[in-house]
Amino acid sequence: SQQGEEDPQALSIQEGENATMNCSYKTSINNLQWYRQNSGRGLVHLILIRSNEREKHSGRLRVTLDTSKKSSSLLITASRAADTASYFCATYANDYKLSFGAGTTVTVRA
Amino acid sequence: ETGVTQSPTHLIKTRGQQVTLRCSSQSGHNTVSWYQQALGQGPQFIFQYYREEENGRGNFPPRFSGLQFPNYSSELNVNALELDDSALYLCASSSSTLEQFFGPGTRLTVL
Repeated sequence: SQQGEEDPQALSIQEGENATMNCSYKTSINNLQWYRQNSGRGLVHLILIRSNEREKHSGRLRVTLDTSKKSSSLLITASRAADTASYFCATYANDYKLSFGAGTTVTVRA
Repeated sequence: ETGVTQSPTHLIKTRGQQVTLRCSSQSGHNTVSWYQQALGQGPQFIFQYYREEENGRGNFPPRFSGLQFPNYSSELNVNALELDDSALYLCASSSSTLEQFFGPGTRLTVL
């Protein structure tokens, strides 16, 4: 079973617009991570936010974490065609198991 | 590029056969995790190896087995293949940072 659930399942935006996707999870976590996957290939780590952090930035990415609501959001600002991909949240509940959601597919239109 | 490599890239097998997938971890990483990703789904954790020992296992039957070698490379073996085993198999290596570095995956098709 999947620990996290992303919302929406799919998102289509115009180049230059912002994209926001959300992730909800079920159990207490040590940290939450976001990954990107292009065309069904390997995943690329984007950002990690620890359970005691509320917000983190990396370039055009902004991640928030609300442990009381067991939710996180990923914002991509000023989107580009190269941002077209599937985005997954993943949580660490213990030392070895990374649990992924089903992902949000983002399409950036030129 | 993460430095994690997987072979083969694609593989076609028939039901009942056995398959071995290979993964070379990134230099300096002593932990390898394997994931199964069905079409349209997120990766599902299969198991993890740390210093040649299985360090945790997901909800997969015993016909999924693995090995890690002294150089920290790893194999995933699947016996008695079933149609539902068709998926992208991903390996990821890590050290102590918790960030996992994924390989490009092996796409397995079971006919």
